[in-house]
Amino acid sequence: RKEVEQDPGPFNVPEGATVAFNCTYSNSASQSFFWYRQDCRKEPKLLMSVYSSGNEDGRFTAQLNRASQYISLLIRDSKLSDSATYLCVVNENSGYALNFGKGTSLLVTP
Amino acid sequence: GAVVSQHPSRVICKSGTSVKIECRSLDFQATTMFWYRQFPKQSLMLMATSNEGSKATYEQGVEKDKFLINHASLTLSTLTVTSAHPEDSSFYICSAWDSHSNQPQHFGDGTRLSIL
Repeated sequence: RKEVEQDPGPFNVPEGATVAFNCTYSNSASQSFFWYRQDCRKEPKLLMSVYSSGNEDGRFTAQLNRASQYISLLIRDSKLSDSATYLCVVNENSGYALNFGKGTSLLVTP
Repeated sequence: GAVVSQHPSRVICKSGTSVKIECRSLDFQATTMFWYRQFPKQSLMLMATSNEGSKATYEQGVEKDKFLINHASLTLSTLTVTSAHPEDSSFYICSAWDSHSNQPQHFGDGTRLSIL
């Protein structure tokens, strides 16, 4: 099921830069939206949920456009520790499996 | 702390061996557990969905006789890769969901399986 599309990157940015990732999904019945972070050879970890009104958590801002079926993640003031793969994830409701994008690779350099 | 424990984290074994992976929810009852697989540079792909006390539902292309799933209790699901071959080498990860909460699914740490 290729329902979630992301630009794989890699995005190479200097420390302190602002970087934005985009994601589109095909299933209009999707109800829940998330950004996960996955470090190399590790399990994905929830970064933040994404709400229609948009939401912010520190340096991270997520936006959802249901009409365009589009999700974004903005990272401000990038840190070296932000280097990871960022996974766009959607699902129809909590009890359904998560549909993962392939992820966008971010490398923050000194 | 971890709310889902997955074991083992790493397995290296010979072709033809069967490997069992356990997924436990530590402080909640997981009515549903999901098993995913991730090949290098690929997204996590759902293999099967298991509900406690019933047979697992497998995704298209996943052989149920090769990937045996048991979800006998509300805190434990197991995935057994039977007669594993090198092409089964992958990162296997479970997630658990409590239908009585509004929390998203919790992931285990994953199992990296390497078949020689």
